[in-house]
Amino acid sequence: GIQVEQSPPDLILQEGANSTLRCNFSDSVNNLQWFHQNPWGQLINLFYIPSGTKQNGRLSATTVATERYSLLYISSSQTTDSGVYFCAVGRSGGYQKVTFGTGTKLQVIP
Amino acid sequence: KAGVTQTPRYLIKTRGQQVTLSCSPISGHRSVSWYQQTPGQGLQFLFEYFSETQRNKGNFPGRFSGRQFSNSRSEMNVSTLELGDSALYLCASSLGSGGTGELFFGEGSRLTVL
Repeated sequence: GIQVEQSPPDLILQEGANSTLRCNFSDSVNNLQWFHQNPWGQLINLFYIPSGTKQNGRLSATTVATERYSLLYISSSQTTDSGVYFCAVGRSGGYQKVTFGTGTKLQVIP
Repeated sequence: KAGVTQTPRYLIKTRGQQVTLSCSPISGHRSVSWYQQTPGQGLQFLFEYFSETQRNKGNFPGRFSGRQFSNSRSEMNVSTLELGDSALYLCASSLGSGGTGELFFGEGSRLTVL
């Protein structure tokens, strides 16, 4: 099946700093999503981004499908950004349709 | 517009018992998929239902089963619980099936097996 790797696995930032999270996938995909898992476990949708670039406030994402990676940018980080960030890829055909990456655990310290 | 609703939010069971979890998708969504999250294994796909039919199944034993009703609500059942079944079970709904649509998740059901 498709492999999805995220880097870095752990990240500690000072409040106000910027960061880039990366998601690499091993095969072509039909779509890609970024999620933020809050402390209670819920996955919050950040971006649905099969290709191209999107921005939402301090967050933006870019997916380069032909090169099989996606980037999530967090600018001016806040303590509320802490948590685990997952990317998930979807593809038609095959046994498993949606595969999650291993996640990046972000801690923003004041 | 109501989001995805999962019940119960927390539950404690003992080994050998069975458990049923429920998921109500966003109105109009016909696809419901289930995921298991454990610290060691991350987020793993269990199965997906679309229009009352199981479309895809992950690599889990037959003790894990599910179904979907005509109103798109879904239930998953785990029989003969084992300690390793302790996990957060997440349900997602989507307009499209088979990884083609955007997923929206519920708050999860946290199962502890003693």
